Amino acid sequence: KAGVTQTPRYLIKTRGQQVTLSCSPISGHRSVSWYQQTPGQGLQFLFEYFSETQRNKGNFPGRFSGRQFSNSRSEMNVSTLELGDSALYLCASSLVQGITEAFFGQGTRLTVV
Amino acid sequence: AQTVTQSQPEMSVQEAETVTLSCTYDTSESDYYLFWYKQPPSRQMILVIRQEAYKQQNATENRFSVNFQKAAKSFSLKISDSQLGDAAMYFCAYRGSNDYKLSFGAGTTVTVRA
Repeated sequence: KAGVTQTPRYLIKTRGQQVTLSCSPISGHRSVSWYQQTPGQGLQFLFEYFSETQRNKGNFPGRFSGRQFSNSRSEMNVSTLELGDSALYLCASSLVQGITEAFFGQGTRLTVV
Repeated sequence: AQTVTQSQPEMSVQEAETVTLSCTYDTSESDYYLFWYKQPPSRQMILVIRQEAYKQQNATENRFSVNFQKAAKSFSLKISDSQLGDAAMYFCAYRGSNDYKLSFGAGTTVTVRA
């Protein structure tokens, strides 16, 4: 079974631009969560989607948004990029029924210059 | 909000020896889940072990075991017979029973000496 796939793996953007990151969950997983990892703030929760609905959102500005498609694939978008948005963005997928752990993708390394 | 604290930024262990990583958390919930994740230099987060709060028995997964003290809100990870491949950053994480959001600690970097 394929794992969580995130694309692209690396991205360099200029301040003020926008970016879209993609995440394909493990087959059958319907919950997708996004996390931002930086050396200063550690791992912080961005948002979680289930059945195309955002169920939970972290404490991030409105520039950060996401969506989930009917096949459970998810995208996150960051508009008006700032230097501080440089981070590793991790996506995780989970089954919904029962006790389940989150399985992570390899992340997208975003650098804003 | 749930807070997860890992008080050891770095730990070093001799190959084949044992190391214990500490984790404490703060919650008002009675039912929840706790996890230890490993993040090697490849940055891929890998689940090491999980513990359901309603289970009194400590989880074990091969060389990895936990000491779960619910009343003390403590969840330590013991790595036995340490191997060079165990070198990584280890994160303790909390998840509520009705929530898919993970709250992570700051992480502990484990170095294994040959």
